Amino acid sequence: AQSVAQPEDQVNVAEGNPLTVKCTYSVSGNPYLFWYVQYPNRGLQFLLKYITGDNLVKGSYGFEAEFNKSQTSFHLKKPSALVSDSALYFCAVRDLTIYNQGGKLIFGQGTELSVKP
Amino acid sequence: DTEVTQTPKHLVMGMTNKKSLKCEQHMGHRAMYWYKQKAKKPPELMFVYSYEKLSINESVPSRFSPECPNSSLLNLHLHALQPEDSALYLCASSQERAGLDEQFFGPGTRLTVL
Repeated sequence: AQSVAQPEDQVNVAEGNPLTVKCTYSVSGNPYLFWYVQYPNRGLQFLLKYITGDNLVKGSYGFEAEFNKSQTSFHLKKPSALVSDSALYFCAVRDLTIYNQGGKLIFGQGTELSVKP
Repeated sequence: DTEVTQTPKHLVMGMTNKKSLKCEQHMGHRAMYWYKQKAKKPPELMFVYSYEKLSINESVPSRFSPECPNSSLLNLHLHALQPEDSALYLCASSQERAGLDEQFFGPGTRLTVL
């Protein structure tokens, strides 16, 4: 079975410090991995994805993620956190058991990031 | 236009009402999705339309009825809902080239069932 785990329900960071939001995955075959962010009372916004190629993926709003095959991880990072980064972050993996029927995503449980001034 | 729009933003309905949620995108995306999301939880997939045909139904109760009138529009018809159906309903779309494309989400409809 394919799955995604976000081991931390909440991450607290001081503004200006680096941040990491963790994600590990379990898939059979090659993983297609995504990060989304959700601000309060809003829909999800796409941040970045890993399909193939360079293990360091750069995305929107200064975020990046590192794909690590040996550790089956895809942690989201940002060198310097902003208060406006405070939001709910979801890691997701494409369900590869369903093909050509729309891109079904398997989401992690979400991590609430709080950045304090 | 890189936006998915949803109407209404908020909806309050009784258990005997019939209402509809509407979703629209003009990005030429060929896959469209309905999700249900409870507070601080991940979205739960309900339905997927691919090329205007229903391709995935995640065993959703029949009181939810999706409709895809054309490639830009997606509706969700609601009838005889239960209070536990209160949630944020999200629509999304994607290009769907072999499953590698990100989904674009609308802002959602906040549904309250009394």
